[in-house]
Amino acid sequence: EAGVAQSPRYKIIEKRQSVAFWCNPISGHATLYWYQQILGQGPKLLIQFQNNGVVDDSQLPKDRFSAERLKGVDSTLKIQPAKLEDSAVYLCASGHSGSDTGNEQFFGPGTRLTVL
Amino acid sequence: RKEVEQDPGPFNVPEGATVAFNCTYSNSASQSFFWYRQDCRKEPKLLMSVYSSGNEDGRFTAQLNRASQYISLLIRDSKLSDSATYLCVVNPPLSDKLIFGTGTRLQVFP
Repeated sequence: EAGVAQSPRYKIIEKRQSVAFWCNPISGHATLYWYQQILGQGPKLLIQFQNNGVVDDSQLPKDRFSAERLKGVDSTLKIQPAKLEDSAVYLCASGHSGSDTGNEQFFGPGTRLTVL
Repeated sequence: RKEVEQDPGPFNVPEGATVAFNCTYSNSASQSFFWYRQDCRKEPKLLMSVYSSGNEDGRFTAQLNRASQYISLLIRDSKLSDSATYLCVVNPPLSDKLIFGTGTRLQVFP
C-alpha cells in the first residue's frame, strides 16, 4: 500500500515570498491533516479535512495560511507571505474517520521549509 | 498548562537498560491515547495505543492512569535501534484530532 506522498521535500524561500505544499493521502482515507512541526517540538495541527470539507482550522493562521482539498483527495497548503517563524517541517497525515483502530494517523515524509 | 506535557530528555541509557517515560495530559475527558515514535528527520509513526488496562507489545509496555491523568511507556532491554523521540499523543473528546507532546528523546549507547 502506498503511503502519504508530499512534495517538495525541501524548500528555501525568503521572507515575504509565497510557498505551496502538496499532499496525496493514502487511497481511501477520508480524513487529511496538515501539521506544523517546529524544531524541538511535537507536531501542531493546522487544519483537518473530512473529504473536501474543513473540520477544524482553529489553529491555522488565516491571515497568511490557506489550505484546500477541492476534490476530497489531494490537498495543498499555502503560505503567503512567509515569515521567519514559519520555518518548520510541514507534515501531512491521513486516516480513516471513526476507525475501530482508534484513529491512527499515517504521516507523509514532510516538507522542510526554511525562511531566510 | 500545556495540553500534553513530557520531559524532553534526552535520556541516555546503555544497551540492555530499562527506561520509562511519563506524560501528563490536562483534559480529563480525553478519549484515546497513543505513543508515536519519530526517528531523526523522519515522520512520526504509531508505536502503540494505550488502553486503560495497560498493554504490552514485546519489550514495550504502555499504561494509562486516568485518575492522575498520566500515561507511561516502559522499554525493557533497550536496543541501539530504540534511539528516537517518543511522542505522547492524546485524542481529545468529540474529535478525531491528535494533540502531541513535545516528545522525549532517547539515546541508547553501546
